[in-house]
Amino acid sequence: GAGVSQSPRYKVAKRGQDVALRCDPISGHVSLFWYQQALGQGPEFLTYFQNEAQLDKSGLPSDRFFAERPEGSVSTLKIQRTQQEDSAVYLCASSLDRVVAEQYFGPGTRLTVT
Amino acid sequence: KQEVTQIPAALSVPEGENLVLNCSFTDSAIYNLQWFRQDPGKGLTSLLLIQSSQREQTSGRLNASLDKSSGRSTLYIAASQPGDSATYLCAVVLEKLVFGKGTKLTVNP
Repeated sequence: GAGVSQSPRYKVAKRGQDVALRCDPISGHVSLFWYQQALGQGPEFLTYFQNEAQLDKSGLPSDRFFAERPEGSVSTLKIQRTQQEDSAVYLCASSLDRVVAEQYFGPGTRLTVT
Repeated sequence: KQEVTQIPAALSVPEGENLVLNCSFTDSAIYNLQWFRQDPGKGLTSLLLIQSSQREQTSGRLNASLDKSSGRSTLYIAASQPGDSATYLCAVVLEKLVFGKGTKLTVNP
């Protein structure tokens, strides 16, 4: 497909488990962003890549959160030792350019930590 | 720190009404402003992107304006339809996006 894809769409994890969320950006898009959306809230920025370089990770809430994009395409967001407060929708977006281009969002991964 | 506020939080209107959604931001040093639509359980669909040098953008029944100096943007929806029911989010574009909490719109047949 031509859009941003994310997998899995839904993930249920027991507290303390590790999870990995995948994002496939639109082909050729240089920039990739991760956002976290809690229920009833707007998305909040987590981290940003330009190609394979992670240029901003200021939004990652703790050192249990880790993101990578080793070949400048697919990205993985990993959460270690999940906690209940990690329950949210995790959204991935990509854009052609660093600043001025529109960001295109994937459908998100809904993570529920029990 | 940039903060984005959307008013009202929820809005219910009868079909056919014209309506305005409001977005305000605290720091005028933005690149662009983007309006999104989010349907329940779905991701975000981009509606309009207004570059900082522009004052408005139009797409079909949607018109968005931007006044950087006053830190405001409005989304105007003409002749609303039940299919317009969704949550509308505005976001200021730095490099990352900073979002408001959204306005939940319900258009009643």
